[in-house]
Amino acid sequence: QVQLVQSGAEVRRPGASVKLSCEASGYSRNFNVIHWVRQAPGQRLEWMGWINVGNGNIQYSQNFRGRLTFTWDTPASTAHMELSGLTSEDSTVYYCAAEWDYYFGLWGRGTLVTVSS
Amino acid sequence: QSALTQPRSVSGSPGQSVTISCSGTNSDIGAYNLVSWYQQHPGKAPKLLIYDVIMRPSGVPDRFSGSKSGNTASLTISGLQAEDEADFYCCSYAGLYTWVFGGGTKLTVL
Repeated sequence: QVQLVQSGAEVRRPGASVKLSCEASGYSRNFNVIHWVRQAPGQRLEWMGWINVGNGNIQYSQNFRGRLTFTWDTPASTAHMELSGLTSEDSTVYYCAAEWDYYFGLWGRGTLVTVSS
Repeated sequence: QSALTQPRSVSGSPGQSVTISCSGTNSDIGAYNLVSWYQQHPGKAPKLLIYDVIMRPSGVPDRFSGSKSGNTASLTISGLQAEDEADFYCCSYAGLYTWVFGGGTKLTVL
């Protein structure tokens, strides 16, 4: 059974970058697209974009254009999300989620990013 | 892309039914039968409840049901149980390979 295992909490200074990981562990991968979703404390879920781990296609939400980079490490079965130009508004929990035909059937546990000077 | 509109909170007593609405536009909910619902307990990751407007994944009780009319989707929870208390989020495919979530609804079981 596939699980999405996310990396641990991070603390960054304003203006810095952060790179998070999401490993698809388990016997077999039953999805081709990983999405990233974030959630500020007590706030709504915010869709950030996706990467197709099969063909490398990527789409970013317009809200993050220019600051966001998704990659996929095939040998490690791990997706990475890098967000640059961090501000306090980026202090949220970041989730990766596997897409199964337009819905998110499998979620990681989330990674907390704190941006503070 | 604006968030879908959900009520901030709903409540009900054990055994009762509650319905959570999710209002969108004719570019998202109204255009596609690709609405999904997620339940999120405090400090936990979201969990899929409903997909494709009305479909339930295996393991989700049939007390949870989804529907859609026009630009509004709804999640109904019947036979409320204490463990249903959580935040609920709708999500819709919005075309051009983009998705949009609702603002979330806090369900309180009285």
